[in-house]
Amino acid sequence: GENVEQHPSTLSVQEGDSAVIKCTYSDSASNYFPWYKQELGKGPQLIIDIRSNVGEKKDQRIAVTLNKTAKHFSLHITETQPEDSAVYFCAASTGYSTLTFGKGTMLLVSP
Amino acid sequence: GAVVSQHPSRVICKSGTSVKIECRSLDFQATTMFWYRQFPKQSLMLMATSNEGSKATYEQGVEKDKFLINHASLTLSTLTVTSAHPEDSSFYICSALTGVSYGYTFGSGTRLTVV
Repeated sequence: GENVEQHPSTLSVQEGDSAVIKCTYSDSASNYFPWYKQELGKGPQLIIDIRSNVGEKKDQRIAVTLNKTAKHFSLHITETQPEDSAVYFCAASTGYSTLTFGKGTMLLVSP
Repeated sequence: GAVVSQHPSRVICKSGTSVKIECRSLDFQATTMFWYRQFPKQSLMLMATSNEGSKATYEQGVEKDKFLINHASLTLSTLTVTSAHPEDSSFYICSALTGVSYGYTFGSGTRLTVV
């Protein structure tokens, strides 16, 4: 089955800095890669996703890049703000099937 | 966008009793619903996958007689934790396939505490 590795487990940055979280996956058939933000006591919220036919996608301060050959994808957050502090999960699926999640990254943005 | 309403958000029950968690898709038909369990500071662990009108498929190690899943309609799926024990205390989250471009929508989660 699919295996998703996520690094780092904790990331501390100063407000205004950029943050990068990286994930690798094992199943070459995976073609959908979402990123979720989870705040304490809440369900995951989709912040951005990318499909295997695209190498990069950007939405304001958030971007995701995908390298299918190397089987890794990354989340980039620029101009971080304290409200970006949360746990971020990457995931992978083959489409219309179960999502396999990484173990999560706790992002702490200090004012 | 697609919304999944999950209730209750928090529940405390006595050991030995049963608890039902509901997830409703408000503006779309959820043919497939996923149920996850999440322990503190850990990732989401898939418990089971349910398709409307069919029996749920449980992941290895998940007791189907303890975690009863019903997906009788396209807008409602329920998870019942039977004869709950303190070790069942956890955060339970549902997720539905929206049917549009691989979209998955998550509920807000249910914090179950068994005392």
